[in-house]
Amino acid sequence: EAGVVQSPRYKIIEKKQPVAFWCNPISGHNTLYWYRQNLGQGPELLIRYENEEAVDDSQLPKDRFSAERLKGVDSTLKIQPAELGDSAVYLCASSSRQGRHGYTFGSGTRLTVV
Amino acid sequence: AQTVTQSQPEMSVQEAETVTLSCTYDTSENNYYLFWYKQPPSRQMILVIRQEAYKQQNATENRFSVNFQKAAKSFSLKISDSQLGDTAMYFCAFMKPHLYTGANSKLTFGKGITLSVRP
Repeated sequence: EAGVVQSPRYKIIEKKQPVAFWCNPISGHNTLYWYRQNLGQGPELLIRYENEEAVDDSQLPKDRFSAERLKGVDSTLKIQPAELGDSAVYLCASSSRQGRHGYTFGSGTRLTVV
Repeated sequence: AQTVTQSQPEMSVQEAETVTLSCTYDTSENNYYLFWYKQPPSRQMILVIRQEAYKQQNATENRFSVNFQKAAKSFSLKISDSQLGDTAMYFCAFMKPHLYTGANSKLTFGKGITLSVRP
């Protein structure tokens, strides 16, 4: 089966510009996660979706970050405007409700804000 | 809140030898899952091994095994017969499953350790 697909793989933007990341989870996986991984750190959860509902967005900086998951499948994470501190790898992951053994990650988008 | 600590930033091992990566965690939960993930330069997080807290038996997966000490809140990963392809960052992670459904939830990661396997 196809894994979790993310695009773009790399993105370089100037500060104050908007940017969007796209994620296509594994077919049938109802739970989707966005994580942010700063350099030399472990990933941290930004938002978790159950189908199309955001059930945990407590760590999402809502002044500049937004996310959506239309029809409970693909998801988009947006930053507007981007700041220098947003430079990081943004990882998407998905899991099945019945899967109790961790989940599948995509290859991430490396964002550089200059 | 749960915390995961990986105190060793880097380790190096000779090919074919054995190496142990350390991880400790802090939680007041009794039911949880622990994981080790591998992240090669491709950036994709790859599940190496998992352990359910209610199981006393240590998990093993081919060359990978864990030493799970629940009372000490310790979860170390042993890699036997190290291979060059094992070179990567390794992350220890904690998950508290959903209370009623047992479904997946948020993963809390440690800072990771960079493992280098020398030829």
